[in-house]
Amino acid sequence: DAKTTQPNSMESNEEEPVHLPCNHSTISGTDYIHWYRQLPSQGPEYVIHGLTSNVNNRMASLAIAEDRKSSTLILHRATLRDAAVYYCIPAGTGNQFYFGTGTSLTVIP
Amino acid sequence: DSGVTQTPKHLITATGQRVTLRCSPRSGDLSVYWYQQSLDQGLQFLIQYYNGEERAKGNILERFSAQQFPDLHSELNLSSLELGDSALYFCASSVGRSGTDTQYFGPGTRLTVL
Repeated sequence: DAKTTQPNSMESNEEEPVHLPCNHSTISGTDYIHWYRQLPSQGPEYVIHGLTSNVNNRMASLAIAEDRKSSTLILHRATLRDAAVYYCIPAGTGNQFYFGTGTSLTVIP
Repeated sequence: DSGVTQTPKHLITATGQRVTLRCSPRSGDLSVYWYQQSLDQGLQFLIQYYNGEERAKGNILERFSAQQFPDLHSELNLSSLELGDSALYFCASSVGRSGTDTQYFGPGTRLTVL
């Protein structure tokens, strides 16, 4: 599976959009890009995933670069509940998830 | 609430001992995964079971073993415990056999080895 590079930490003001970047330059053509987050003292939870096209769900949007070497998770209006560690995980179907160190998001009231 | 349950929530034991962690997957999910999260190693995949059979193995020590029962609940057995085994152990479940299906995580079991 591809190696990823994410900022160790980011800050955002409450109710403002947040863009969480992820570089995965060694991604293979069949790897999906998965995003999970882990709130304090909880297990990880699924956020979103995609292959090539941009994806939206009720939690977030995922913007995937045309060359697929990077992606951005977009939280449209950050709330205090969005403070978590966000993991970007490129993975091929049938492989396992490698969580890495992720980005710790702080939301400032 | 993900629908995945884990017991116990906390476990304190001594070096050399053996413990069993239990996980019940979401209703309808056939795969169960075990992960270990320690401060210095992050969240690491240990093992996956699908419908009672071992499907994939990750960084699981030989002192650790797991199984999935006919009712699909799973147990992770940790033996000859060492101080370094102190960690959060998470169980996750998914519908299918692919390791990259959407996984739903339990609240974890915090193991402290003294």
